[in-house]
Amino acid sequence: KNQVEQSPQSLIILEGKNCTLQCNYTVSPFSNLRWYKQDTGRGPVSLTIMTFSENTKSNGRYTATLDADTKQSSLHITASQLSDSASYICVVLRMDSSYKLIFGSGTRLLVRP
Amino acid sequence: DAGVTQSPTHLIKTRGQQVTLRCSPKSGHDTVSWYQQALGQGPQFIFQYYEEEERQRGNFPDRFSGHQFPNYSSELNVNALLLGDSALYLCASSLQQGYNSPLHFGNGTRLTVT
Repeated sequence: KNQVEQSPQSLIILEGKNCTLQCNYTVSPFSNLRWYKQDTGRGPVSLTIMTFSENTKSNGRYTATLDADTKQSSLHITASQLSDSASYICVVLRMDSSYKLIFGSGTRLLVRP
Repeated sequence: DAGVTQSPTHLIKTRGQQVTLRCSPKSGHDTVSWYQQALGQGPQFIFQYYEEEERQRGNFPDRFSGHQFPNYSSELNVNALLLGDSALYLCASSLQQGYNSPLHFGNGTRLTVT
């Protein structure tokens, strides 16, 4: 079954600390994996897109990794800021005769001062 | 360069009523997708429009219908509203062939059904 599972469901960290969010998927055939940041009451904003051949991709303090063999991805946030408080959604693109995006339920991150 | 715009931002309707939500895609994009997002959940795919036709559809009943206009803007219509239709409705635009390009989302319409 094509699924995207994210962990933890929620996370609280102190400002300035690092954290890592996990994404496991069973989607096949795999095309690419995306991480989105969604602030409360706003639409998701793209952080990274990784294809099969990419292991690591950075966007400022955000670094995503992809292990296509184990079907796992992580999003590492360095030196967290209060503005990092948001939901982080992992999305996998499945593509055969058509393409379909499979969304995870997200990890809700709260950064406290 | 305007991003994806949605209207209205908030809406309150009564059970059984009908609602129309509107979306203008990012400039240069030709494909519009609609998503329903319940509180604390990830977005659920409703359908996608390209060249004024519904190209893909998720597991949503026929009460959910849509339209795409020649200028690529789109509408989502929901008939016979149920309490469970209360959610954030997100519109996303993209290029049809842009498989390695991100979706651009609007900020959504918050629908409350009472």
